[in-house]
Amino acid sequence: DTGVSQDPRHKITKRGQNVTFRCDPISEHNRLYWYRQTLGQGPEFLTYFQNEAQLEKSRLLSDRFSAERPKGSFSTLEIQRTEQGDSAMYLCASSLSTEGYEKLFFGSGTQLSVL
Amino acid sequence: GQQLNQSPQSMFIQEGEDVSMNCTSSSIFNTWLWYKQDPGEGPVLLIALYKAGELTSNGRLTAQFGITRKDSFLNISASIPSDVGIYFCAGDNTNAGKSTFGDGTTLTVKP
Repeated sequence: DTGVSQDPRHKITKRGQNVTFRCDPISEHNRLYWYRQTLGQGPEFLTYFQNEAQLEKSRLLSDRFSAERPKGSFSTLEIQRTEQGDSAMYLCASSLSTEGYEKLFFGSGTQLSVL
Repeated sequence: GQQLNQSPQSMFIQEGEDVSMNCTSSSIFNTWLWYKQDPGEGPVLLIALYKAGELTSNGRLTAQFGITRKDSFLNISASIPSDVGIYFCAGDNTNAGKSTFGDGTTLTVKP
């Protein structure tokens, strides 16, 4: 298993454009998470899926953001009409839900720069 | 909302020295976590703590879950150059992976 994979690693876009990121979790993991991290800060939770169901969305996730996990495997995060404040590292993580705390495995992230 | 305060913000130490960093919260957590993040990579879990007062080691790393459930510390003994990175504490009350992260302690180790 190669771990959590994210694509692209870097994305530069102009303000107002739409962008889409992809995350491939560890294959047997049923939960998938999206976090956002800005420079000098820790990651902030955005949303998570159990299989194909999106179970929770943070207030940080404005209506310009949408995430999907259509077949319970890979996930996409789309940002419409990007703004400069969207510039950040977008991290995906996956876990296998069991009783008690779930260990998250993070990908290397997609670094978004909005010009 | 919940906030975690990590200190110090950064540390510069000589190889071989021991390191101590801590994390405090205004509210209690059921689980405390310590992660390390290298440049251009995602965080990697180092230690997870599940009970107040728990002391857990992972090689040269030792972490404790504070009795009040509002704090935790991480110690690294005999630091080596590959310990360089950003160390994040995180708290979780959900058992669902929705952690609250601190803003990190950046560690630099001089050979």
